[in-house]
Amino acid sequence: QKEVEQNSGPLSVPEGAIASLNCTYSDRGSQSFFWYRQYSGKSPELIMSIYSNGDKEDGRFTAQLNKASQYVSLLIRDSQPSDSATYLCAGYNTDKLIFGTGTRLQVFP
Amino acid sequence: DAGVTQSPTHLIKTRGQQVTLRCSPKSGHDTVSWYQQALGQGPQFIFQYYEEEERQRGNFPDRFSGHQFPNYSSELNVNALLLGDSALYLCASSLGLAGVGDTQYFGPGTRLTVL
Repeated sequence: QKEVEQNSGPLSVPEGAIASLNCTYSDRGSQSFFWYRQYSGKSPELIMSIYSNGDKEDGRFTAQLNKASQYVSLLIRDSQPSDSATYLCAGYNTDKLIFGTGTRLQVFP
Repeated sequence: DAGVTQSPTHLIKTRGQQVTLRCSPKSGHDTVSWYQQALGQGPQFIFQYYEEEERQRGNFPDRFSGHQFPNYSSELNVNALLLGDSALYLCASSLGLAGVGDTQYFGPGTRLTVL
């Protein structure tokens, strides 16, 4: 079992819709979680970090963490074509980030 | 405020050769982590350097080694290159807040191709 799992997608949503990206993790020792966006051929760019159970909002992005269910999600409101990218979920444990394989999001006009 | 920088951008090597990749962390950061990202995969942790010492290591062979300098910059060395070493090599910098979950910021990466 992979430590961090994501559906590879692609997830296709129309412009203006809400995109919901999900991630599960197996290591209960993971203390914090991060969402990165990665455009093709580029390096990961940090979007959100979340440490506590519940929701954390930043602009059009909301991260959700449920440690009991070992589940992390990212909601993108008012999706734009420029949001089309691969979204990487990562869990932090003992000084290293463990990444999922990423979910490819496609936002069509 | 300079972000994380890496050099070179691209590199082509042949099997059996050795390569050195370089990274300068974001201003104010003292910790450097290295990741390997194969095509279609998420980044895989190689190792982390803090206070010029390797603090944590992932599941990579000894052919992968590193170094951190007093100015916090870092090098990744790979010996006896294999075709499977072809990947995007990412450097991430952070503050050394061990155990808390310090946010890591990535550089642009070095694309290594092994022929």
